[in-house]
Amino acid sequence: NAGVMQNPRHLVRRRGQEARLRCSPMKGHSHVYWYRQLPEEGLKFMVYLQKENIIDESGMPKERFSAEFPKEGPSILRIQQVVRGDSAAYFCASSRRDSNSPLHFGNGTRLTVT
Amino acid sequence: DQQVKQNSPSLSVQEGRISILNCDYTNSMFDYFLWYKKYPAEGPTFLISISSIKDKNEDGRFTVFLNKSAKHLSLHIVPSQPGDSAVYFCAASDSGGSNYKLTFGKGTLLTVNP
Repeated sequence: NAGVMQNPRHLVRRRGQEARLRCSPMKGHSHVYWYRQLPEEGLKFMVYLQKENIIDESGMPKERFSAEFPKEGPSILRIQQVVRGDSAAYFCASSRRDSNSPLHFGNGTRLTVT
Repeated sequence: DQQVKQNSPSLSVQEGRISILNCDYTNSMFDYFLWYKKYPAEGPTFLISISSIKDKNEDGRFTVFLNKSAKHLSLHIVPSQPGDSAVYFCAASDSGGSNYKLTFGKGTLLTVNP
């Protein structure tokens, strides 16, 4: 399956711990986008990255959240000192370039904070 | 403030009949609209899109209609099949042709009964 790969599929963290979510884009895609779906809500845009660059982080919470897409390896969404309100499904999408091509989403990581 | 609204949380139809899923939006700057389909434990899958310069787009059994004056769009599935049972998300973008920053509705659960 050459689709967008996210891992882990499920992640359980206690309050105060760190969560790291990984996303490998589709082959040939150099643009990555992170979305979050809170319970009973639609998906909400968080951040758009290209290799080694953050293009648009207007949807990222101001504190505790960060994202990177290094030259080598997957994109990482990092949540420090998690709280219960961070429990959600986090979806990554990728595209070849910022264009009218529809986003291809991965299967998500479901984060549960206990 | 919810800019994309899907007022029906669920819809049930018989196999072979038409399914009509509705979506309303409030932001007049939205110029690109998409429908995504989501199965449990999977990521959203792109279904069909329409730009604001059109009022209809058709792809096989799926047709999307856009009424800009009413700020309303709908997805028609004809004929409906049991495999269409999923959550359908309406999404919109105001990024001037760059569709990565999508605003999603909360989704409508479609159940197609055999």
